[in-house]
Amino acid sequence: GAGVSQTPSNKVTEKGKYVELRCDPISGHTALYWYRQSLGQGPEFLIYFQGTGAADDSGLPNDRFFAVRPEGSVSTLKIQRTERGDSAVYLCASSLDRRNGYTFGSGTRLTVV
Amino acid sequence: AQSVSQHNHHVILSEAASLELGCNYSYGGTVNLFWYVQYPGQHLQLLLKYFSGDPLVKGIKGFEAEFIKSKFSFNLRKPSVQWSDTAEYFCAVNGGGGFKTIFGAGTRLFVKA
Repeated sequence: GAGVSQTPSNKVTEKGKYVELRCDPISGHTALYWYRQSLGQGPEFLIYFQGTGAADDSGLPNDRFFAVRPEGSVSTLKIQRTERGDSAVYLCASSLDRRNGYTFGSGTRLTVV
Repeated sequence: AQSVSQHNHHVILSEAASLELGCNYSYGGTVNLFWYVQYPGQHLQLLLKYFSGDPLVKGIKGFEAEFIKSKFSFNLRKPSVQWSDTAEYFCAVNGGGGFKTIFGAGTRLFVKA
């Protein structure tokens, strides 16, 4: 597609539930990133994929968070046993290389109640 | 570890005033530097970038930024702001040959008509 697509745009879930957030990057972009943005903060790095593999997952806060990109295109961020503190906007971005900057999606607003 | 510091969290200007938003980063090696903008209700988009060459970089909508290596700074400027520049601005850096980009906390700019 023309841009980075994220679904759903909004997700409300109960504490303790499992959620999946989907990202469809720009076709041909080999690098894909997940960030989390809380109110009043800048995007916080979670994980970066180069192709199918997670090249850097140092930003994942704990083992409740996991992400996959099985075919090197669409990625899914999975959060188990959600907590209220997980509420944030989850951003996905893709890029061709590190010098050209990212193209961001519109984000998924996750609210854990 | 890389970090980015943006000096002002909120800036209020009148139309036609000049703008300078401060950004300092901490990283000892070669860096790529970016400014992103998020207009109300829109997703993050790249405003300008620096990776080598002329330290004065020009971006879209009349914005420019100057990389001063000795000061670890990458300040954003615009000679005359417009009401439509009301947005949140994020400085970002990646370094060491990696793809992971670190963002500052953002500066919220409000331009009075």
